[in-house]
Amino acid sequence: GAVVSQHPSRVICKSGTSVKIECRSLDFQATTMFWYRQFPKQSLMLMATSNEGSKATYEQGVEKDKFLINHASLTLSTLTVTSAHPEDSSFYICSARGFGTSNYGYTFGSGTRLTVV
Amino acid sequence: GENVEQHPSTLSVQEGDSAVIKCTYSDSASNYFPWYKQELGKRPQLIIDIRSNVGEKKDQRIAVTLNKTAKHFSLHITETQPEDSAVYFCAASMAAAGNKLTFGGGTRVLVKP
Repeated sequence: GAVVSQHPSRVICKSGTSVKIECRSLDFQATTMFWYRQFPKQSLMLMATSNEGSKATYEQGVEKDKFLINHASLTLSTLTVTSAHPEDSSFYICSARGFGTSNYGYTFGSGTRLTVV
Repeated sequence: GENVEQHPSTLSVQEGDSAVIKCTYSDSASNYFPWYKQELGKRPQLIIDIRSNVGEKKDQRIAVTLNKTAKHFSLHITETQPEDSAVYFCAASMAAAGNKLTFGGGTRVLVKP
């Protein structure tokens, strides 16, 4: 089946630094990548949608200059949290759709636990 | 945009009993409704899904029903087992909104042995 590899699984960074999270589709072409954030004991909140080769579309309230999304190829999308602060600590997870998946298939990455100290 | 409400937020059942989780959605254009099971710190796992042209779907102990008129759908788990304990999320998507998934708030299910 379709697989999305997400790295790193855990990262601890200092306040003010930037962190890059990668999601790679291993056996299909991810034309669309969704990025979610999940706080403890809460639901998945969509941050942005990116289509390969296009600028990401951000959900209301999500700062595009803080959460930089790049989807330059059909197999790789990245989320960079810039100037991270403790309130950015969360579980970040990507979800991909594209060619090679079923018509309604969403393939999730394994998530990244970000802790900003 | 789409809004998905999910109830209950927590559900405790005795092993062997049934569990039912209900969701409502706001946009009648939504046409795909998946259910996910998520264990702590893990990715959501698709357990069953239904499209808007179907009213009911079953897969062994799990079933989903959809009422398009009322804009609600439900997850039914029969003969619950301790390994069914997890957080369950419903979601909805529509092509007109770029197929993005809007999730419900989640239901924490505890199956007591």
